[in-house]
Amino acid sequence: AQSVTQPDIHITVSEGASLELRCNYSYGATPYLFWYVQSPGQGLQLLLKYFSGDTLVQGIKGFEAEFKRSQSSFNLRKPSVHWSDAAEYFCAVEAAGNKLTFGGGTRVLVKP
Amino acid sequence: DAGVTQSPTHLIKTRGQHVTLRCSPISGHKSVSWYQQVLGQGPQFIFQYYEKEERGRGNFPDRFSARQFPNYSSELNVNALLLGDSALYLCASSLVEGAETQYFGPGTRLLVL
Repeated sequence: AQSVTQPDIHITVSEGASLELRCNYSYGATPYLFWYVQSPGQGLQLLLKYFSGDTLVQGIKGFEAEFKRSQSSFNLRKPSVHWSDAAEYFCAVEAAGNKLTFGGGTRVLVKP
Repeated sequence: DAGVTQSPTHLIKTRGQHVTLRCSPISGHKSVSWYQQVLGQGPQFIFQYYEKEERGRGNFPDRFSARQFPNYSSELNVNALLLGDSALYLCASSLVEGAETQYFGPGTRLLVL
């Protein structure tokens, strides 16, 4: 069965600093990978996705992620964080059909 | 275009009661999935429907059921509510099933007392 691990429960970063969120997955086949962001009390917004092709994926709000098959990782990065990036971030892998398996999430706090 | 809509936004029930949650997908989307998100955790897959047929079910008890209507909207039903059913219930839609981006609604927050 597929699984997703986000090792960092909380990350605090200063505004303007870079951000990297880790995601490791376990899945037998070629994975479809996603990063979603959730602001307090809100639903999930898709940041980016990887289906195939170029392993460096660009998303919205200046985010990018890199798929590394050898490390079973799909880490999310942003070069310069804005206060509005404070939220919870979820990595997910798609199994058969539309079933998404999510990690436990990483809460990002942004210091002024 | 309107995104995925869910109703109600909030709901308070007592143990043993029944609840129905509703979801309208993005226009043209034929697949609807339901997820449960307990506070502090990632969402967990409950059901997926495509063209009115159940195509996937997560590890949830039979108290949970769902259906999809001809207009592709969907209902999630939970019987005999338990305190542990308190969660944010998210609906997601996609054009078709498989390797498709899912778009999430704002969720229904259910509190069971």
